[in-house]
Amino acid sequence: DQQVKQNSPSLSVQEGRISILNCDYTNSMFDYFLWYKKYPAEGPTFLISISSIKDKNEDGRFTVFLNKSAKHLSLHIVPSQPGDSAVYFCAALLQGGSEKLVFGKGTKLTVNP
Amino acid sequence: NAGVTQTPKFRVLKTGQSMTLLCAQDMNHEYMYWYRQDPGMGLRLIHYSVGEGTTAKGEVPDGYNVSRLKKQNFLLGLESAAPSQTSVYFCASSRNLGGDLNTEAFFGQGTRLTVV
Repeated sequence: DQQVKQNSPSLSVQEGRISILNCDYTNSMFDYFLWYKKYPAEGPTFLISISSIKDKNEDGRFTVFLNKSAKHLSLHIVPSQPGDSAVYFCAALLQGGSEKLVFGKGTKLTVNP
Repeated sequence: NAGVTQTPKFRVLKTGQSMTLLCAQDMNHEYMYWYRQDPGMGLRLIHYSVGEGTTAKGEVPDGYNVSRLKKQNFLLGLESAAPSQTSVYFCASSRNLGGDLNTEAFFGQGTRLTVV
């Protein structure tokens, strides 16, 4: 029973265009969400997060949108760069609960020059 | 500026052998985690700890044991390795997660374990 779902295993975009990575969750009690980026042979690194009291958080080229009614969040990367090519993991947390961070299966983004 | 350090980085075990993976963090974080990553499965939580001397089971704890005797170290043990435990193991630590402090979990570089 997957609580955090990333239904697209891969995504390919052209350099300079927008990349949109999607994530759905089933547990309405989740109230904090994070995106991680992972290069091959390295550990995941934190990218951006959003609390459920917000519907948008922006950091440079990266913006995360949260739609609580749809239990959906998305990561927008604009403009996409070849260095953004990596696997992106969505993660969710129930604050004040067991502190377990639940990850999706990841989406492999390829940005073509 | 070490952050989270995992030892070893690679290991090959024979079925039935035992080993311990070491995770060390120098950020004075309360929380520590062990995840495994398998193709098409994402990151799955094995065990975690919310403080020195405490441990708790995650999503896939069977076949593993953990200990948190010191705040900076979190050990993952395999008592009798099985081929199904072939995976990449990641340790992570955090001050706390979520809330107004906008914190996140920091990950180590991973340990690639092969059980033959």
